[in-house]
Amino acid sequence: RKEVEQDPGPFNVPEGATVAFNCTYSNSASQSFFWYRQDCRKEPKLLMSVYSSGNEDGRFTAQLNRASQYISLLIRDSKLSDSATYLCVVNNAGGTSYGKLTFGQGTILTVHP
Amino acid sequence: DGGITQSPKYLFRKEGQNVTLSCEQNLNHDAMYWYRQDPGQGLRLIYYSQIVNDFQKGDIAEGYSVSREKKESFPLTVTSAQKNPTAFYLCASSIGLDARPGYTFGSGTRLTVV
Repeated sequence: RKEVEQDPGPFNVPEGATVAFNCTYSNSASQSFFWYRQDCRKEPKLLMSVYSSGNEDGRFTAQLNRASQYISLLIRDSKLSDSATYLCVVNNAGGTSYGKLTFGQGTILTVHP
Repeated sequence: DGGITQSPKYLFRKEGQNVTLSCEQNLNHDAMYWYRQDPGQGLRLIYYSQIVNDFQKGDIAEGYSVSREKKESFPLTVTSAQKNPTAFYLCASSIGLDARPGYTFGSGTRLTVV
C-alpha cells in the first residue's frame, strides 16, 4: 500500500461547480497534513494545512479523519484559476522519518467555462 | 524577500557527467530537502538535512550526493551512477524539524540528459 494515495483524476468540472478530492494515508503516527497546489511545470505551493477539527479558507474546506486515515479537500464555486494539480501531503513523523513529508501523486483538476 | 533559490532553471547533462544543482535559502530554516518529480508522478525524497553537517538518505538516494556545510546551502550532485536522471528537481526547506507549517519550495531545476 502506498503511504499516501489519491485519485489521480482528472476531474473536469464547469465553473461554479463544487468538487471534492480524497486522500488516504497509511502511517497512523502521521501528525501533520497539508494540501499543496502545483501548476503546470511549477513548484508546489502550500494551499492549506489540515487540522483535526476541519478548517476552511474561503472557498476551500479541508477535513481530517484520523480514525479512517482519510483527508479531504472541498472546493466550492470553482474558478478557472483553480485548474491545477492538488497534492495531498502527510508528515510521516516518528522514528527515522521525523520531519519528512510524503506526497501523494496528485489529483488533476481542470475547470472549464 | 526571503525564499529559496534554485539554479540553474534548466540543465543539460551528457551521459557520464556529474552535475551539481544549487539550492540556497535565506529563510533561516533548519531543515532542507531534495525531491525528484517525474511526469505524472508525485515527489520522491532524495536526501534531507535537519542540521548543518548532517544529512540523511531519502527513498531514492542512489546515484546522488549532497553536502550541508552552511545552513543556507544544500547542493545536490547528480552522479553518473544515476541511471535515469532526467527529471524535475525540487529543493525545499522547513522552519521546524517537524516540518510545520509545511515546506517552502524553490522553483525547481529541470535536468535533461542529452
